[in-house]
Amino acid sequence: DQQVKQNSPSLSVQEGRISILNCDYTNSMFDYFLWYKKYPAEGPTFLISISSIKDKNEDGRFTVFLNKSAKHLSLHIVPSQPGDSAVYFCAAITSGTYKYIFGTGTRLKVLA
Amino acid sequence: NAGVTQTPKFRVLKTGQSMTLLCAQDMNHEYMYWYRQDPGMGLRLIHYSVGEGTTAKGEVPDGYNVSRLKKQNFLLGLESAAPSQTSVYFCASTDRANYGYTFGSGTRLTVV
Repeated sequence: DQQVKQNSPSLSVQEGRISILNCDYTNSMFDYFLWYKKYPAEGPTFLISISSIKDKNEDGRFTVFLNKSAKHLSLHIVPSQPGDSAVYFCAAITSGTYKYIFGTGTRLKVLA
Repeated sequence: NAGVTQTPKFRVLKTGQSMTLLCAQDMNHEYMYWYRQDPGMGLRLIHYSVGEGTTAKGEVPDGYNVSRLKKQNFLLGLESAAPSQTSVYFCASTDRANYGYTFGSGTRLTVV
């Protein structure tokens, strides 16, 4: 039972364009969401988060949107850079459960 | 500032052998986690700990045991390794339940 899904295993985008990574979840009790970025042979690193009381959070080139009614969140990267090429994981948590549930990841390739 | 350190980084085991993966964090974090990453499966939680002396099961705990005797260390044990346990193992820690994790760089384990 995959509670957090990333339906696109991979995505290719031209440098300078927008990258949009999507994540769907099934558990309506999730109230906090994160995006992580992972390079090969390294551990994931925290990128950006959003609470369920918000519908948008911005940090530089990265923006996360949350649509609670659709149980959907997305990560926008504008403009995309070759250094953004990595695997991106979304993760969700219900307060009080102490543990995040991760999606399956999307491999982003930004073409120079 | 080491963060989260995992030992060893690589290991090859024969089926039936046992081993222990060590995770050490120097950030005084309360919460620690063991995840495994497999192709197409994302990051799946094996076991976690919400404080020294406590452990709890995650999504895929079978075949693994853990111990948190000291706050800074979280050990993951495989008593009788199986080929299905071939994976990349990540340890993570955080000081707040809803906060982002700090991950280690991973242990690549192959069971033959």
